[in-house]
This record gives sequence, C-alpha cells and structure tokens, in this order.
Amino acid sequence: SQQGEEDPQALSIQEGENATMNCSYKTSINNLQWYRQNSGRGLVHLILIRSNEREKHSGRLRVTLDTSKKSSSLLITASRAADTASYFCATDAAGNTPLVFGKGTRLSVIA
Amino acid sequence: GAVVSQHPSRVICKSGTSVKIECRSLDFQATTMFWYRQFPKQSLMLMATSNEGSKATYEQGVEKDKFLINHASLTLSTLTVTSAHPEDSSFYICSANSGGWTDTQYFGPGTRLTVL
Repeated sequence: SQQGEEDPQALSIQEGENATMNCSYKTSINNLQWYRQNSGRGLVHLILIRSNEREKHSGRLRVTLDTSKKSSSLLITASRAADTASYFCATDAAGNTPLVFGKGTRLSVIA
Repeated sequence: GAVVSQHPSRVICKSGTSVKIECRSLDFQATTMFWYRQFPKQSLMLMATSNEGSKATYEQGVEKDKFLINHASLTLSTLTVTSAHPEDSSFYICSANSGGWTDTQYFGPGTRLTVL
C-alpha cells in the first residue's frame, strides 16, 4: 500500500524562486529517498537520507527528515526551467525491500 | 554507478496478445528485483517482488496468472503480461539491488506498454 503523501500535488513557480515539497509517511522507515521524473521518462535518483539523519544537502537540493513527525521536505533553491518535473519521495523499511512511493508533486518552473 | 536496463522501452500490441518485458542488471548481480507499474499522472505502485530461484511475491490485487514473473538468473527478471487488455496500458518499471542491506535501488528506464 502506498504510504507516502506529498504536498502540494502541484506547484508552479517562477525561475529563480525556491521550491519546497513535503512528504509524509505512516510507518517506521530505514531510509527516505527523493526522485525526479520527467514526463514519460524514468526515475532519476536525487538524494537519500537515512533515518538517523536530519538534513542533507546536494547542490541546490536540501532535504530534511523529521522522524518524530514522519515527514520530509525537499527544497530546490534558485529553480530553473529544467527543474520542471514530478518529484516523488520513497521510503523503505529495510535494505533489500521495495520502495513505497508517495503520490508526487508536479513542479512547473516558468522561465 | 550500477545500471539496470529494460527491454523493450516501448511496445504497442493488440488486445489479447502477450508481452514480455526484460529487466537486466548490467554490472551487478541482483538477488531481488522489483516490478512497479505507473499509470498516467500517478505514482509508482509495487506489483511484485522477483526473487532469483524462487517464486515471485505479488502485491494484493495483482493477478499472478496475468503478470508472470521469472527471475531465472541473477541478472535477469522478466515480466510477461498475458492476454493484455487496454487497461493494462501503463509504464512498467523494474528496480534491482544486490541484496543484503544495500540502500540504493537501481531503476530501469521503464517500458511503455500500449494495448490497442
């Protein structure tokens, strides 16, 4: 069953602005990951944050994890038109177990 | 990094025919592979877990006789959609990891199935 819920479902911003997407989950996790998917294409792995980590950075990406609230956020700073895509969070309960994906946020960055 | 391939990338078939999709781990051995399905504008939903040398484990609501999974080797899992119907049209994505407590799953590029 799907346990991740992202909000907002859709987000439209101007180029240069920051985009924040949130993800909530229901059960205990081992890791939480964020993926990007361009329309009709495969998944691109963005970042993984472990359950014992609270914040992680990668380039223009910043991910936070609050296990007490069972939530995570993905911040994309200084957005670009090329960031337009759907973004999914995914959790796993342990190694070698399937990922449970959230419903995704459709981000549109307008040039 | 590890690479997972899928073949074909796109397939169009007539209703009632069967379609086989291959998922290969190119530079590592995958004891477990996962098959997901994604309908338009929706998220990925796990269909089944493919285990090398044993029967696949299917998620609730996924018909095992319709979606045949064979994980015959440590680098190949196949998903066969039997007697495909238009409602089976979807994006099928596989993922693999090398087992144990590896954190990262490597996703294939997906297969777009269109059933006419």
